[in-house]
Amino acid sequence: NAGVMQNPRHLVRRRGQEARLRCSPMKGHSHVYWYRQLPEEGLKFMVYLQKENIIDESGMPKERFSAEFPKEGPSILRIQQVVRGDSAAYFCASSPTGASTDTQYFGPGTRLTVL
Amino acid sequence: AQSVAQPEDQVNVAEGNPLTVKCTYSVSGNPYLFWYVQYPNRGLQFLLKYITGDNLVKGSYGFEAEFNKSQTSFHLKKPSALVSDSALYFCAVRELYSSASKIIFGSGTRLSIRP
Repeated sequence: NAGVMQNPRHLVRRRGQEARLRCSPMKGHSHVYWYRQLPEEGLKFMVYLQKENIIDESGMPKERFSAEFPKEGPSILRIQQVVRGDSAAYFCASSPTGASTDTQYFGPGTRLTVL
Repeated sequence: AQSVAQPEDQVNVAEGNPLTVKCTYSVSGNPYLFWYVQYPNRGLQFLLKYITGDNLVKGSYGFEAEFNKSQTSFHLKKPSALVSDSALYFCAVRELYSSASKIIFGSGTRLSIRP
């Protein structure tokens, strides 16, 4: 049973370019969460999605960041016009339902470096 | 508002000795508590969780955690440390039975086990 998959594992972008991060949840999981980890810090919640719905985006920056989880295919976190401050590790987690008792299982992360 | 505090940035223990990694939390309702471990350049790995019931929770790799409601603590423990336990440990909290989906993470404690 494959775990949460994220790709790419490492992504290098120049300032002003776009970054697209992909997340495939565990089999049977329909709820996806994105977190960001700055160097030497804990994870900060960004957004929670179900298939075709954004449930909670309270942690998403208001500009340049967007997320989707289409009916078919992986969840995508998109960062437009990247800046150096976007350099971080971005982790995706999934859970089978949205219940508060669910455990969230994390992927290996995508490490974004903005030059 | 929910919050988690890990008061120690680093904990150093000799192999074979017991270890404790401290965590205190704050939630307005009932807490749902987790410990995750992160190895270098890897994602977060679930160790254990507390929802209700016995205050002593056993998890993976011989780790356990004790929930103390009066002290609002959830310290991670292991009777005998291994060098391979060296990693970054995160305590996290979610409000049980709340519609809030996000997990709030502590800032992490780096555990270093010397041979």
